[in-house]
Amino acid sequence: NAGVMQNPRHLVRRRGQEARLRCSPMKGHSHVYWYRQLPEEGLKFMVYLQKENIIDESGMPKERFSAEFPKEGPSILRIQQVVRGDSAAYFCASSKAGGTDSPLHFGNGTRLTVT
Amino acid sequence: GENVEQHPSTLSVQEGDSAVIKCTYSDSASNYFPWYKQELGKRPQLIIDIRSNVGEKKDQRIAVTLNKTAKHFSLHITETQPEDSAVYFCAGNAGGTSYGKLTFGQGTILTVHP
Repeated sequence: NAGVMQNPRHLVRRRGQEARLRCSPMKGHSHVYWYRQLPEEGLKFMVYLQKENIIDESGMPKERFSAEFPKEGPSILRIQQVVRGDSAAYFCASSKAGGTDSPLHFGNGTRLTVT
Repeated sequence: GENVEQHPSTLSVQEGDSAVIKCTYSDSASNYFPWYKQELGKRPQLIIDIRSNVGEKKDQRIAVTLNKTAKHFSLHITETQPEDSAVYFCAGNAGGTSYGKLTFGQGTILTVHP
């Protein structure tokens, strides 16, 4: 079991460019969550997706951020027109079910640096 | 929404000593409390979790206690080793409906000196 796979591990973007972060959940997991971690802080929930559905996006900034989890392929977190404040580690996590009996397993994260 | 407070922010112990990290939460509907260990530059790893119908859970050198009335839970590490040095995060599931939407504490940097 390869675990949650995220790529790229490191991403450098200039202000105004777009960042696309990819996440493949663990085998057998159909629920994906994205979290953001600013330097020396805890993780903050962003969005919860199942295949082709956004279940909860209450933690997503209203503008420039979007997420999808298509029927085929990885989940994508997209940040348009990046700004310096977007620099952070973005972690994807997956679970077998979304209820109360399936703990989260995190990927290794994508560290985004905006210059 | 849920608020999780974690103390202390840093903890330094000698090898072999015990370490205790405490968290409080605000949402009485929360019913799942995991603890994650994160080494520098790596992913958070689940080390132990507890559900609200249990008061204590132990796994070798690690134990977690939960006081639902007081809304606080604690991580206890006994016989600490240098490999235990990392950042530890507590979390709670706001609303109590899902194990995936977690509110994390601010983290505790644990340093175990040989």
